[in-house]
Amino acid sequence: QSALTQPPSASGSPGQSVTISCTGTSSDVGNYNYVSWYQQHPGKAPKLMIYEVSKRPSGVPDRFSGSKSGNTASLTVSGLQAEDEADYYCCSYAGSNTGVFGTGTKVTVL
Amino acid sequence: QIQLQQSGPGLVKPSQTLSLTCAISGDSVSSNSAVWNWIRQSPSRGLEWLGRTYYRSKWYNDYAVSVKSRITVNPDTSKNQFSLQLNSVTPEDTAVYYCVASKQWVFDSWGQGTLVTVSS
Repeated sequence: QSALTQPPSASGSPGQSVTISCTGTSSDVGNYNYVSWYQQHPGKAPKLMIYEVSKRPSGVPDRFSGSKSGNTASLTVSGLQAEDEADYYCCSYAGSNTGVFGTGTKVTVL
Repeated sequence: QIQLQQSGPGLVKPSQTLSLTCAISGDSVSSNSAVWNWIRQSPSRGLEWLGRTYYRSKWYNDYAVSVKSRITVNPDTSKNQFSLQLNSVTPEDTAVYYCVASKQWVFDSWGQGTLVTVSS
């Protein structure tokens, strides 16, 4: 199972929006709505930000939103804030009771 | 609110077995809705889901193809915890290992992580 493809980096100024893509195949992202997104600050465990493509857990700001089109899922962070600077990972169910993560994207707030 | 506390050695010799334990509070390992996972992270391999155990009238296990021949994830109902065993380790298995609670494929509660180094 190959990792989902994400851009290595993305950036934006405070208040701007940044969108991160997560490209898989018809065997994972394209076939299931079990796509989730995780935020990870240095030295910390990942934190769930989005699940089932576009649902937000309680406590996650509505600045974070998710979507999917075909084999590509996306995470958008609107109104960027300094604390949004982190690594972001997507994850998808890949069938046969297995899951696969994305390669990760480092978001920098300029 | 599920809390997970990991324990186990941080150094394992090549060819030996990596063993970690994850103690659960706030839920039961025998829950009919939760799933108990192990995920690792390394600079070379990124985040990698390794395997899981869960109870749905009986116990089930699923494992990643990449480690299927070497991995065991077991529940311990007497201690409300679950464990990871990874056999025949090599330096490639050096990583931070996380135990994670999930509902389906939504990983919503993570342990603190354990850096395991494989070295002689």
